[in-house]
Amino acid sequence: AQSVSQHNHHVILSEAASLELGCNYSYGGTVNLFWYVQYPGQHLQLLLKYFSGDPLVKGIKGFEAEFIKSKFSFNLRKPSVQWSDTAEYFCAVNTRNTGKLIFGQGTTLQVKP
Amino acid sequence: EAQVTQNPRYLITVTGKKLTVTCSQNMNHEYMSWYRQDPGLGLRQIYYSMNVEVTDKGDVPEGYKVSRKEKRNFPLILESPSPNQTSLYFCASSTDRGSYNEQFFGPGTRLTVL
Repeated sequence: AQSVSQHNHHVILSEAASLELGCNYSYGGTVNLFWYVQYPGQHLQLLLKYFSGDPLVKGIKGFEAEFIKSKFSFNLRKPSVQWSDTAEYFCAVNTRNTGKLIFGQGTTLQVKP
Repeated sequence: EAQVTQNPRYLITVTGKKLTVTCSQNMNHEYMSWYRQDPGLGLRQIYYSMNVEVTDKGDVPEGYKVSRKEKRNFPLILESPSPNQTSLYFCASSTDRGSYNEQFFGPGTRLTVL
């Protein structure tokens, strides 16, 4: 069965530190990959997505993610975090032509001012 | 304003009392879906719908029903709620079955079953 694993459950960083959140999935076929963010008390919003092409994708607010097919990974990065990046981050995967979207467990990011 | 709305936003009920959480989108999206969010488990898909009168099970459909009689509405029905259905529920919609486009999420419904 498909699954998505986010290795870091809770990350605490100081402002200006660099961020990398891990995401691995298990599925051998073609996938679409997403990172969503949920700010405190709000609903999920799309940060970025990968369907095909350049494996390095850029999203909103300075986030980027790299798809490494051989490692089944789609890690999220940001060179310098801000206090306003405090939120929960979810990696999600779906296989082409299905309606199922599988989410990881989520990573809570706390940025200290 | 393009949006997904859910009602109610908060609900406390008792075991066995049937309830419906409504979801409506004004973006003419074909695809709609329901998720539940639980600490440490992320979001898990309950049901989804590719179009009117087309619904399918997600990963955790037990204890839930859905219907899609109109394009804009996708209600979630709990016929006999139990305490293990206490959770935060999100409805989402997308133009294209979620495969190629982002899903737009509603604000969430926090359900407590006593």
